[in-house]
Amino acid sequence: EAGVAQSPRYKIIEKRQSVAFWCNPISGHATLYWYQQILGQGPKLLIQFQNNGVVDDSQLPKDRFSAERLKGVDSTLKIQPAKLEDSAVYLCASSLVRSSGANVLTFGAGSRLTVL
Amino acid sequence: DQQVKQNSPSLSVQEGRISILNCDYTNSMFDYFLWYKKYPAEGPTFLISISSIKDKNEDGRFTVFLNKSAKHLSLHIVPSQPGDSAVYFCAASASNYQLIWGAGTKLIIKP
Repeated sequence: EAGVAQSPRYKIIEKRQSVAFWCNPISGHATLYWYQQILGQGPKLLIQFQNNGVVDDSQLPKDRFSAERLKGVDSTLKIQPAKLEDSAVYLCASSLVRSSGANVLTFGAGSRLTVL
Repeated sequence: DQQVKQNSPSLSVQEGRISILNCDYTNSMFDYFLWYKKYPAEGPTFLISISSIKDKNEDGRFTVFLNKSAKHLSLHIVPSQPGDSAVYFCAASASNYQLIWGAGTKLIIKP
């Protein structure tokens, strides 16, 4: 089974520039998540999709971050304009829709963003 | 408000000995707890989970213990191996399935 694919793995930009990250989840996983992880902290959920609908985007800074999941498969996360504090690893994860049991997420390798 | 806390940023253990990683939580509505392991430059990978109706779950060298009255869980790794050196995250979820994460504990296994 192919894992969660993310690109690019690394990106360096200057503040006020824009950047986009791409994610392709595991085939058949209806739920897709974007997390932001800052060094020394746990992952912070930015947005959760189920198929192509948004389930939770309460922690997404909507003035600069946007995300879409067209056709309910792959997804893009965009930051425009970037700030210094956006320097982090952006993790994409996917999971099956479960009616019970632990919600086990499978993560991609992440996209490391450095804003100068 | 940190609902899930891992109070030890790092832990160093001799190879072959037991590693014990701790996690505390505040929300009594959490019904599942999960442990993830993360190597540098990789995403977290799922290790083991436990339901709130159980007090122990075991998978090979990994055992998770849950003490609901103390709102505390721990991950035991026995015996510890060099490949276990990683950052370990504790996460919890309530019925809405959103995971709440701790800040992680870096485990270093010394040869």
